Amino acid sequence: RKEVEQDPGPFNVPEGATVAFNCTYSNSASQSFFWYRQDCRKEPKLLMSVYSSGNEDGRFTAQLNRASQYISLLIRDSKLSDSATYLCVVNRATDSWGKLQFGAGTQVVVTP
Amino acid sequence: DADVTQTPRNRITKTGKRIMLECSQTKGHDRMYWYRQDPGLGLRLIYYSFDVKDINKGEISDGYSVSRQAQAKFSLSLESAIPNQTALYFCATSDTGTKDTDTQYFGPGTRLTVL
Repeated sequence: RKEVEQDPGPFNVPEGATVAFNCTYSNSASQSFFWYRQDCRKEPKLLMSVYSSGNEDGRFTAQLNRASQYISLLIRDSKLSDSATYLCVVNRATDSWGKLQFGAGTQVVVTP
Repeated sequence: DADVTQTPRNRITKTGKRIMLECSQTKGHDRMYWYRQDPGLGLRLIYYSFDVKDINKGEISDGYSVSRQAQAKFSLSLESAIPNQTALYFCATSDTGTKDTDTQYFGPGTRLTVL
């Protein structure tokens, strides 16, 4: 079983619509969670950290469910520029600070 | 100017050749990492360095070696390249001692093809 699993998609989303997707992780000791965005053939860039209480950054909302070991990302009012692959990233354990496990990504395609 | 740079950006080489990929950063971070990315797989850690004197193997270090020449420079070598090392390689950095340690900043990547 992969440590971090994501639905690869693609999620085809009309412009202006809402899209949400999850990521599951296997290490219950994980403490840090992130969503990164990766455009085609480019470097991953931090989109947002995910906090226990959930957090929002503009049109993006991230949630953490420790009991079920998943995090989610919701994008409201989708823009064409939101088309990208979204990587779920989890740290491995509390004593491996800085060493991260990456999911393979969920592709989102926003259409006009 | 980019905070994390990688050279070369693209490289095509032949089986058995020695290849070096270079990474430089101006972020002042102590921690540096090398990853490879293959289609359908997440980024996988090859090597990491928490300071100039600290080098550690990641999950897929076989066939690779690294050198941390200075705080700002971390090089990855393929001693004898093979076709299954064809991938997109990323260098990354992170800060130390704060909650932001886990936040990693990536270079633009090197696309390596081994024929």
